[in-house]
Amino acid sequence: GEDVEQSLFLSVREGDSSVINCTYTDSSSTYLYWYKQEPGAGLQLLTYIFSNMDMKQDQRLTVLLNKKDKHLSLRIADTQTGDSAIYFCARVLPVGQAGTALIFGKGTTLSVSS
Amino acid sequence: EADIYQTPRYLVIGTGKKITLECSQTMGHDKMYWYQQDPGMELHLIHYSYGVNSTEKGDLSSESTVSRIRTEHFPLTLESARPSHTSQYLCASSDSLRGSYEQYFGPGTRLTVT
Repeated sequence: GEDVEQSLFLSVREGDSSVINCTYTDSSSTYLYWYKQEPGAGLQLLTYIFSNMDMKQDQRLTVLLNKKDKHLSLRIADTQTGDSAIYFCARVLPVGQAGTALIFGKGTTLSVSS
Repeated sequence: EADIYQTPRYLVIGTGKKITLECSQTMGHDKMYWYQQDPGMELHLIHYSYGVNSTEKGDLSSESTVSRIRTEHFPLTLESARPSHTSQYLCASSDSLRGSYEQYFGPGTRLTVT
């Protein structure tokens, strides 16, 4: 299977909560990230979580990490139309001797209807 | 907010032309990366650099080349563009002093080779 997997689409109504899920295969991942990409733009770092944490909250965003199941989720409270975008889950991968790169999932397209 | 810039944002060019995609960052980050994003939105690492005069190829084979003569500048060059090079190219940087390894992305260059 893929290293980092995400469902491809999620559709919600404005004001509802959105939950975007991600699973990964490498349990040695130290950091896991959520990025947001709006049309025609680059990736914006939303938040990240260290592997020894279970949860991290930042305003409307809540990240939950289940290390045993290798499952990561991003919850967006009170979803707005401006939250419509592609959300990428990523994990850090050691690259070479001293560098690090990220492995990304294929992205989840979040569509918010009013 | 990250300060990483890419030019041009959009480029349409004919087959066989030589092109250089520019990437600059003003954050003093030592590591820089180039990703290729395919139409399905999946991201693939094509080049990375640990610092000045250091460049390495990523996991996706690419006919492009890169250079890192200055810390802030990481241009990508295609000697002879082909339609198969049509893609979105994203540049990113990170600070190895930050143990969280997060990367900051530029807005991307959308390249179309006709």
